[in-house]
Amino acid sequence: QQQVRQSPQSLTVWEGETAILNCSYEDSTFNYFPWYQQFPGEGPALLISIRSVSDKKEDGRFTIFFNKREKKLSLHITDSQPGDSATYFCAASAPNTGKLTFGDGTVLTVKP
Amino acid sequence: NSKVIQTPRYLVKGQGQKAKMRCIPEKGHPVVFWYQQNKNNEFKFLINFQNQEVLQQIDMTEKRFSAECPSNSPCSLEIQSSEAGDSALYLCASSLLQSNTEVFFGKGTRLTVV
Repeated sequence: QQQVRQSPQSLTVWEGETAILNCSYEDSTFNYFPWYQQFPGEGPALLISIRSVSDKKEDGRFTIFFNKREKKLSLHITDSQPGDSATYFCAASAPNTGKLTFGDGTVLTVKP
Repeated sequence: NSKVIQTPRYLVKGQGQKAKMRCIPEKGHPVVFWYQQNKNNEFKFLINFQNQEVLQQIDMTEKRFSAECPSNSPCSLEIQSSEAGDSALYLCASSLLQSNTEVFFGKGTRLTVV
């Protein structure tokens, strides 16, 4: 059973639009949720993260919305740019372990 | 920009050969992780250390895989007898704390077993 799920698998938006990437999880003990951005041939880069005590985290054009009751979160990228085209991974970890469980990723394409 | 340094970036080995990759964690980060990312983008946690001690590892690493983080030397991940299924991107990451904290990844070592 996959612990962290992401949808959609791929998403195409126009430059300037808002991209919404979704993530859900199974393990109710997960309490830390980072999002990573990965370009081809590179390692994942930490984009933004949230802890389960919060329901929203904002950093520039990137915002995480978190719903603990439904075990869902989403990453909103406003004013999308072609340079945002990458694969985005939602991850989760439980207390007392740094081990991250990753989703399968969403491939975002931003068209100019 | 990631401050976790992984070498080499690319590694090609024949089946049965030994494959070794190295990682220098971000300065001041005592916790080091190794993950495997396959061609389908699936991540698999392999092992993590705090300083020189193993915190967690999966069963796979107890057989052909070995890893260490010696004092004052780069961390390393070694596959004793490479198999075709080991072809993947091997990612090293580091963090300041054991849990609930930011984890930073290196660029990875792309292993191809031919």
